[in-house]
Amino acid sequence: QKEVEQDPGPLSVPEGAIVSLNCTYSNSAFQYFMWYRQYSRKGPELLMYTYSSGNKEDGRFTAQVDKSSKYISLFIRDSQPSDSATYLCAMSEYGGATNKLIFGTGTLLAVQP
Amino acid sequence: EAQVTQNPRYLITVTGKKLTVTCSQNMNHEYMSWYRQDPGLGLRQIYYSMNVEVTDKGDVPEGYKVSRKEKRNFPLILESPSPNQTSLYFCASSYHLQGSYEQYFGPGTRLTVT
Repeated sequence: QKEVEQDPGPLSVPEGAIVSLNCTYSNSAFQYFMWYRQYSRKGPELLMYTYSSGNKEDGRFTAQVDKSSKYISLFIRDSQPSDSATYLCAMSEYGGATNKLIFGTGTLLAVQP
Repeated sequence: EAQVTQNPRYLITVTGKKLTVTCSQNMNHEYMSWYRQDPGLGLRQIYYSMNVEVTDKGDVPEGYKVSRKEKRNFPLILESPSPNQTSLYFCASSYHLQGSYEQYFGPGTRLTVT
């Protein structure tokens, strides 16, 4: 079993839809959770960074962490064609920069105009 | 502008021919990492560095070397490349202090070893 599981998709939604992207994990020691967006032929771009459980909102993006269920989510409101990309989750025990990150394999999202 | 640069962007080489992929960042970040990205396997960390002259292995370090002689540079060295090192490589630099975190990835280097 992988430490981090992520549905590869592809996920296709109409413009304006609410998108829900999810990851599950097995290591209960993970405390730091990140979401990245990766456009085709580009490097990943950090979108959200959260510590422990709870919600964090940034514009149209909301990251949610449920440590009791070992489940994290990224919600995108009012999705746009420009949101079409691969979304990667990542997590670590001690922080993003001080220890290795474990990444999910990514979910490909297509937002149809 | 915050930037991580990698060179070359594309490289085709033959088995056993030593190569170096350079990585440079302009943000004075202490932490830098190398990742490889393969279909179905996602991003896997090769090596990371916490500061000048301080490096440690990631998940898949076999066949790779790194050095951190200057804060801004973190080259990845393949002493004797093999076909299983054909992959997309990313360098990243990051900063983490009391809940503040930023991380930037380079544009990637697509390596093919024949």
